[in-house]
Amino acid sequence: SQQGEEDPQALSIQEGENATMNCSYKTSINNLQWYRQNSGRGLVHLILIRSNEREKHSGRLRVTLDTSKKSSSLLITASRAADTASYFCAPRRKLSFGAGTTVTVRA
Amino acid sequence: GAGVSQSPSNKVTEKGKDVELRCDPISGHTALYWYRQSLGQGLEFLIYFQGNSAPDKSGLPSDRFSAERTGGSVSTLTIQRTQQEDSAVYLCASSLGDGRRSETQYFGPGTRLLVL
Repeated sequence: SQQGEEDPQALSIQEGENATMNCSYKTSINNLQWYRQNSGRGLVHLILIRSNEREKHSGRLRVTLDTSKKSSSLLITASRAADTASYFCAPRRKLSFGAGTTVTVRA
Repeated sequence: GAGVSQSPSNKVTEKGKDVELRCDPISGHTALYWYRQSLGQGLEFLIYFQGNSAPDKSGLPSDRFSAERTGGSVSTLTIQRTQQEDSAVYLCASSLGDGRRSETQYFGPGTRLLVL
């Protein structure tokens, strides 16, 4: 498979808590991207991490990459209601998403 | 323009009819992608245009699907003799296409196609 596989499938957290989701992939990569999709804003690029990077931050997002384990994680800190969405990882340019992780942030 | 636009936003058609879906990428973006997302499914790559190069059609599910990009800008995805399984949201994305291996793709709002 050329897509990433996200875990868990669903996550429900309280506003202000952190959310962590994981991605596993099978191919070698040059970089890996995370995307978010919700009904209000559609599909939006969040962050890209290159294969020679181990960790990257963008605002409240923190992404890690372990190429030896072919895995990545996305941490959202201090979650907000607006973070409610499905999150997908993409190990290649021709995007192919699985089911994603559905995050629900409760007020 | 300000973002990627797609039209129509919704399309209902009868089985066997042809449909055309349009995508206007961000001005200056040379790379354009078409994807399909079926209900409850992930995102499926369909076709990729980069500048004047021959398109990468490796994701097209059948010969009923075709796409063209005129003048390196607007793209049209055509589905001939539509089937019920073609019902999905069709998403278009564009990126700068400046030669880097992977670039941020900016998505349009999609066209929701329903084949009755």
